[in-house]
Amino acid sequence: DAKTTQPPSMDCAEGRAANLPCNHSTISGNEYVYWYRQIHSQGPQYIIHGLKNNETNEMASLIITEDRKSSTLILPHATLRDTAVYYCIVRVANSGNTPLVFGKGTRLSVIA
Amino acid sequence: NAGVTQTPKFQVLKTGQSMTLQCAQDMNHEYMSWYRQDPGMGLRLIHYSVGAGITDQGEVPNGYNVSRSTTEDFPLRLLLAAPSQTSVYFCASSPSGKSYNEQFFGPGTRLTVL
Repeated sequence: DAKTTQPPSMDCAEGRAANLPCNHSTISGNEYVYWYRQIHSQGPQYIIHGLKNNETNEMASLIITEDRKSSTLILPHATLRDTAVYYCIVRVANSGNTPLVFGKGTRLSVIA
Repeated sequence: NAGVTQTPKFQVLKTGQSMTLQCAQDMNHEYMSWYRQDPGMGLRLIHYSVGAGITDQGEVPNGYNVSRSTTEDFPLRLLLAAPSQTSVYFCASSPSGKSYNEQFFGPGTRLTVL
């Protein structure tokens, strides 16, 4: 799996967009970018994933640069409940029996 | 669907005791796994299973046993509990194939070993 780099922490004002960056400069052509988050004391929660096109679902948007070396997770209107640690993971879609590896992630604090 | 369920939610053990953490999923997922998370740390993989009858070790398997006799259940057994096993334990499941990495996690079991 390609290595990812994320800032350790970020703050965002409630109601504003939260933009969480992730660098993955060694990503391979068949590797996807996955985002998870972990709200305090809960299990991780899958958010979104993408290969090269931008993706949007009910939770977030994922913007992947054209060279695929970095991406940004966007929470369009952050709320206090979005305060969590966000993990960016890069791996092939059909990963067989190789388990997910969670790095240190970005701790997002949404401030009222 | 109940998703991934874990029992118990909380448990206190004495050193040397044994117990089983239960995990069940009702989504017919082939892949299941157990992670532990220590305070302020990331998740570390203990054991995983790619299907009924198949299990394998993760990053930190020592002191734990697993079995997968059915698709739905993946219990984690602590053989001789030690204070170093005080942690929060999460179970996860996912389909095989292209959706493999879209994993569903349970609510966790908070274990304290005295």
